[in-house]
This record gives sequence, structure tokens and C-alpha cells, in this order.
Amino acid sequence: DAGITQSPRHKVTETGTPVTLRCHQTENHRYMYWYRQDPGHGLRLIHYSYGVKDTDKGEVSDGYSVSRSKTEDFLLTLESATSSQTSVYFCAISSAGSGDEQYFGPGTRLTVT
Amino acid sequence: GQQLNQSPQSMFIQEGEDVSMNCTSSSIFNTWLWYKQDPGEGPVLLIALYKAGELTSNGRLTAQFGITRKDSFLNISASIPSDVGIYFCAGRFNTNAGKSTFGDGTTLTVKP
Repeated sequence: DAGITQSPRHKVTETGTPVTLRCHQTENHRYMYWYRQDPGHGLRLIHYSYGVKDTDKGEVSDGYSVSRSKTEDFLLTLESATSSQTSVYFCAISSAGSGDEQYFGPGTRLTVT
Repeated sequence: GQQLNQSPQSMFIQEGEDVSMNCTSSSIFNTWLWYKQDPGEGPVLLIALYKAGELTSNGRLTAQFGITRKDSFLNISASIPSDVGIYFCAGRFNTNAGKSTFGDGTTLTVKP
């Protein structure tokens, strides 16, 4: 299994509070991704990173920001959490982006009340 | 953006039966991927397809990259209880940093 951990694994927070989720990898892979998964839906890309300090938006980036100050860590921040951001969040990594496949972490279940 | 239509949405089958599911897109892809997700876990890659017309097997699983590059199929032969889970297709262009577009998933239930 690829060395990917996510923390926390579960979190309940109130509307309007900031929340940061962490993805940590031990594979030294260049690319990292944040997805969200909602019931009955596949995974939708929030943001991704193609190197330290290099990030770009995915298809559902509104209300989210990311940072990558080290190869091994990719942080996802909800600036002011809303109930619509209740979801399961998955981090993924890949070594080469195109042409190499993504390996997913175990997920973080976030509930915004 | 790209839209993937995955069908069927769910399947209830008897152990030992074969399973077929497919994914169609409004756009062409250079790569098709199939993942399986068990409850409470992240998706795990089953098969990756890189060429139109390619047929690839992984044990009892067989997947095909459609010749039009707008569709892909996954077959599972002789299903067993541990095949239960959600199967996702994903399509990708090779020039966009590995970003993939995912289908909504097929939930498979296998009755012993």
C-alpha cells in the first residue's frame, strides 16, 4: 500500500469555523490531489499540487484553499465551513501525474453542523 | 467539464454470476481507469487502460478501452462475496497533470 495518511479521520465542526485537513505521504511523489466524495457521486477534484508551492484549482474549488510547503504534506483548508461542505475528503498521490496512477488515502469524514 | 455516465447505478447478483458495467463520456480520453472502493476506505486501482481498443485482465476482472475513446467496460467473472463494493470508472487526458474525471459509481451487491 502507498504510504498515505490523512488526519483527522473524522471531524465535526460548526458552520463558519475554519477547518484544515492534512494529507501526509512517505512516497516522495510529486503530485498530490484533494477530492471530495458525496453520496451517490464519484470523486470530484478540489485542488491539486504538482510540486512544492505549486498548486492549481480543480472543478469544485470554491470555498477551499490548499498549501504545500513540503513534498510530503498537502493541506486543505475550509476558510469558513458550510453545511454543503459536509463530505468525505480523499487525498491522492502520484509520482508522475500523467502516465502514472493515483493512490488514495483512507479519507476524512467531515460533518459541518 | 467532462461528464462521465456510469451504468448501472447498482447491481444485485448471485454469487457465481458474471457482472458487466460501463462508462461513457461526452469527450475522448487518453486513459481509462477502473477503481474499487470498499466501505470506509479510499478507492483502489484495479485496471488502467492506455490505448483505444485495449483489453486488459486482472484475475477475474477484464476491462476494455472503447475504440471511440469515449467509453470503457468492466467485466467481473464468477463473482464472489468479496467483490462487493463500489466500482468507479475514471477518464483522463495525459496532458493535464494526471487529473481524472470520475463516474458516479456502480454499487455491487453479491448474494451468497
